[in-house]
Amino acid sequence: EVQLLESGGGLVQPGGSLRLSCPASGFTFSGNAMSWVRQAPGKGLEWVSGISGRGGSAYYADSVKGRFTISRDNSKNTLYLLMNSLRAEDTALYYCAKKGDFYDSSGTTYDAFDIWGQGTMVTVSS
Amino acid sequence: QSVLTQPPSVSGAPGQRVTISCTGSSSNIGAGYDVHWYQQLPGTAPKLLIYGDNNRPSGVPDRFSGSKSGTSASLAITGLQAEDEADYYCQSYDTSLSGSEVFGTGTKVTVL
Repeated sequence: EVQLLESGGGLVQPGGSLRLSCPASGFTFSGNAMSWVRQAPGKGLEWVSGISGRGGSAYYADSVKGRFTISRDNSKNTLYLLMNSLRAEDTALYYCAKKGDFYDSSGTTYDAFDIWGQGTMVTVSS
Repeated sequence: QSVLTQPPSVSGAPGQRVTISCTGSSSNIGAGYDVHWYQQLPGTAPKLLIYGDNNRPSGVPDRFSGSKSGTSASLAITGLQAEDEADYYCQSYDTSLSGSEVFGTGTKVTVL
């Protein structure tokens, strides 16, 4: 069974740090790009950061650039998100999501977030 | 604030057809980037509903369909059912943001 299981969330003071983990199972982890997507309470989805399959390329939303670092350990099939200088507005449920490869009848390829974890809650408050 | 705008809510009676719009710009949908759609049932993680503008992953009913034209995309649900009550999000890529995937603002579908 394909599965993502986030952990590492919790309550942290403004300016503090947290590291989220997302161990994966049921697929060839190194073959897929991965992302972190967050959802503030009662709000919509916000893409946070993404990383290529081999880890050579990383991307960030402007709202977290310079504060968050995405990484992966393909030997452990695990995705990470190191969050520094946390702010109240970072309070959200953080999902890890797998980029899957899809094909249509003409052979055109697409990539979309096909597998999501259950999320881990991060609360930034004093 | 997202660069992809969706109506906050749409509603319909069981059996009816509803559509959700996703309005972008020349730096995302209008640039030809693929649009994907996700369904988020209450208290659960999002689920992929449509990929590549108008393709359904295995297991998604054919009541769900997608389309794209110019700088906008749409999700249609025909034969609306009670279990379709959920939040729906479009997603694409935007060149005006650094390496950025973008999600729409989200639409709550209510079955009357």
